[in-house]
Amino acid sequence: DQQVKQNSPSLSVQEGRISILNCDYTNSMFDYFLWYKKYPAEGPTFLISISSIKDKNEDGRFTVFLNKSAKHLSLHIVPSQPGDSAVYFCAASTGTASKLTFGTGTRLQVTL
Amino acid sequence: EPEVTQTPSHQVTQMGQEVILRCVPISNHLYFYWYRQILGQKVEFLVSFYNNEISEKSEIFDDQFSVERPDGSNFTLKIRSTKLEDSAMYFCASSEGNYQGYEQYFGPGTRLTVT
Repeated sequence: DQQVKQNSPSLSVQEGRISILNCDYTNSMFDYFLWYKKYPAEGPTFLISISSIKDKNEDGRFTVFLNKSAKHLSLHIVPSQPGDSAVYFCAASTGTASKLTFGTGTRLQVTL
Repeated sequence: EPEVTQTPSHQVTQMGQEVILRCVPISNHLYFYWYRQILGQKVEFLVSFYNNEISEKSEIFDDQFSVERPDGSNFTLKIRSTKLEDSAMYFCASSEGNYQGYEQYFGPGTRLTVT
């Protein structure tokens, strides 16, 4: 069941540069998309979300872009900071209260 | 800032024993969820709960699992007879469940180790 895919298991970016994390999905019924940040042995921390009626949502250093025709979303972090180093998961749901389907995660390392 | 809390942080149990994992969701949230993450794998949905009943469950959530909201604040996951393969991090989450608040907020997790 690979409805949500994150094809890059890891990404290394220099401090101050842009981090771009990608996510693809196959289920056209997904309407809501979320990004979570996770540290080892901790719960996922909600970062930013977008509904399918939008194509962009910004919150501070974080911007999520949604391309519905390509079934693709991306998370941009600008500028990247060392504290951003974590595993990032994208998740999708078919309704406002529906279960989340998670991707496999991308480990981001921000280097000095 | 309100947060989801979970207890215990780590539970070790023997195969065949019953365990109860506890969660206190965010107080004004109406929808509650359990997810788990087996080491090295992705986060998987187990069950969702609304208005005192299960609204959705996955294939993982078989007869060995049950959920309950015993009072106005706690939300529990019970595993009746644990198996080795139940060893995982279990996460509770809650949300308002509407367009203005569809984000699910997760607790810190309970690490369950079945020996």
